[in-house]
Amino acid sequence: ETGVTQTPRHLVMGMTNKKSLKCEQHLGHNAMYWYKQSAKKPLELMFVYSLEERVENNSVPSRFSPECPNSSHLFLHLHTLQPEDSALYLCASSQGDRGVSEQYFGPGTRLTVT
Amino acid sequence: DQQVKQNSPSLSVQEGRISILNCDYTNSMFDYFLWYKKYPAEGPTFLISISSIKDKNEDGRFTVFLNKSAKHLSLHIVPSQPGDSAVYFCAASPGAQKLVFGQGTRLTINP
Repeated sequence: ETGVTQTPRHLVMGMTNKKSLKCEQHLGHNAMYWYKQSAKKPLELMFVYSLEERVENNSVPSRFSPECPNSSHLFLHLHTLQPEDSALYLCASSQGDRGVSEQYFGPGTRLTVT
Repeated sequence: DQQVKQNSPSLSVQEGRISILNCDYTNSMFDYFLWYKKYPAEGPTFLISISSIKDKNEDGRFTVFLNKSAKHLSLHIVPSQPGDSAVYFCAASPGAQKLVFGQGTRLTINP
């Protein structure tokens, strides 16, 4: 595997379910990100992890819970979501110790909450 | 309040001609700017970037221009090719590993 991978690619869940999104980067980067892209809206940054520590939480509701066990893996745990949480969830990584650098994105998980 | 705006949701260009995609920003603290390209069912892929200390950066068919006084960024693609058909996102950074994205412009290259 190369680059940034995300699983699953598609997920349909009820409002009472608990599920997790997984992201893995094979680029040797030390920063990872979760973004949300809703229809006709810009990508919204949700969380930033640098060296496995959360450095940014963009006022995201607590029904979204990130986890970064090591620099290559990032999870987004989901519970009691709302239909308006249906969106494309994108993971990205970058080499964070070079100041601003390009972020490399995974293909995304298309989430539908019913 | 949207700090990065791409006012054209779509753009159609003849193959071989120049495509110009525009982006405006409001935050004068942004010091690094990037363009991403996105095909359906794929994540955005990095295309080209520019630091605020420059006004132009070129990479093959792609050139990014930055006008700091106007807070305006543009991406020129010449010559345009059918494979360039995609959604293009402009992004800006105030530092600290943070990117703020525009809403995207769908570019269609017609043969």
